[in-house]
Amino acid sequence: AQSVTQLGSHVSVSEGALVLLRCNYSSSVPPYLFWYVQYPNQGLQLLLKYTSAATLVKGINGFEAEFKKSETSFHLTKPSAHMSDAAEYFCAVSENKLVFGAGTILRVKS
Amino acid sequence: EAEVAQSPRYKITEKSQAVAFWCDPISGHATLYWYRQILGQGPELLVQFQDESVVDDSQLPKDRFSAERLKGVDSTLKIQPAELGDSAMYLCASSLAPSPDTQYFGPGTRLTVL
Repeated sequence: AQSVTQLGSHVSVSEGALVLLRCNYSSSVPPYLFWYVQYPNQGLQLLLKYTSAATLVKGINGFEAEFKKSETSFHLTKPSAHMSDAAEYFCAVSENKLVFGAGTILRVKS
Repeated sequence: EAEVAQSPRYKITEKSQAVAFWCDPISGHATLYWYRQILGQGPELLVQFQDESVVDDSQLPKDRFSAERLKGVDSTLKIQPAELGDSAMYLCASSLAPSPDTQYFGPGTRLTVL
């Protein structure tokens, strides 16, 4: 069965610092993987999607994620955090349906 | 840019009352999903429609929840009677085709049951 584990329910970084949000997945077939962002009291917005075309996926707002099959990971990174990046981030895996991790709340300190 | 519409955005009700949520997907999207998101958790699928047909409602508490998409366009999710544990964000999403096609989410309905 497919599942997602997001390591760290809360991550705090300083403005301008590297953002690293961790995601490990379990899937019985080659996975499709997603990162979504959610701002308070809003729906989810797609950041990026892995479809096996390339292991390094670039998304919106300067985010990117690298698919590592050997580590079953799909970590999200951004070189320099902005205050506007403060939100909750969800990793998700899809076989026949989308299964989400528990989320990581990103705090950006000025 | 086309968006998924949901209403109401917020709903407060008392337990044992009936509530209904509405969703209008992106035009042309055949697949529609309802998710429940409990505070501090990721969304969980309640029901999936392909056009007007239910293709997955395995996690829908059918004794109190119902969902319909009569004309294969907009959809309604109903809870009757509401219980305290139903307090959550209810999210609607749509996609052109079933998973793994990208799902686009609406703003959600925040339900509080008192």
